[in-house]
Amino acid sequence: TQLLEQSPQFLSIQEGENLTVYCNSSSVFSSLQWYRQEPGEGPVLLVTVVTGGEVKKLKRLTFQFGDARKDSSLHITAAQPGDTGLYLCADHPNQAGTALIFGKGTTLSVSS
Amino acid sequence: EAQVTQNPRYLITVTGKKLTVTCSQNMNHEYMSWYRQDPGLGLRQIYYSMNVEVTDKGDVPEGYKVSRKEKRNFPLILESPSPNQTSLYFCASSLSIGIADTQYFGPGTRLTVL
Repeated sequence: TQLLEQSPQFLSIQEGENLTVYCNSSSVFSSLQWYRQEPGEGPVLLVTVVTGGEVKKLKRLTFQFGDARKDSSLHITAAQPGDTGLYLCADHPNQAGTALIFGKGTTLSVSS
Repeated sequence: EAQVTQNPRYLITVTGKKLTVTCSQNMNHEYMSWYRQDPGLGLRQIYYSMNVEVTDKGDVPEGYKVSRKEKRNFPLILESPSPNQTSLYFCASSLSIGIADTQYFGPGTRLTVL
């Protein structure tokens, strides 16, 4: 059974700081997705990465996929209070009959 | 507005009293699924449906039932709820299961079983 480990579990920072959160898998990802979940809401897809070594940018968020496709990082530059939330990584199996597998998430709190 | 809706958003019930959580999407999506989210365990899939009348078990299906009679609706049924089913439940939908297809999640239903 594939296990996704996210670190750190909790992160509390000041507005304007940079941060990186990590997602590591016990086996090779089929494809990796990052979600953000705000309090009282469902997860919202941020990005999907498929190719080892891939880097994607979404405004102040930079997503990196490891060359071996077993790890990923999410870097946020100049964090803002609106970045507060639970960041989840997930393996998307891309085939019928296989569930989306989620990590337990990193809870980020950005204070002004 | 494209969305996934769930009802109720909050529910407190007692052990053994049958309940249904409704899920509806207005995006003509074929794929729908139910997840539960628990502290320390993360999100786990309960059931999924590839299309109308096609449903299958996810990772934690015990104690739950689903049906998919119409494309837009995918209700979650707890025939005899127990306290270990106290959780935050999310319905999700996507056009298909392909990685290019974004999964849209509903706002969640917080269920407490006493």
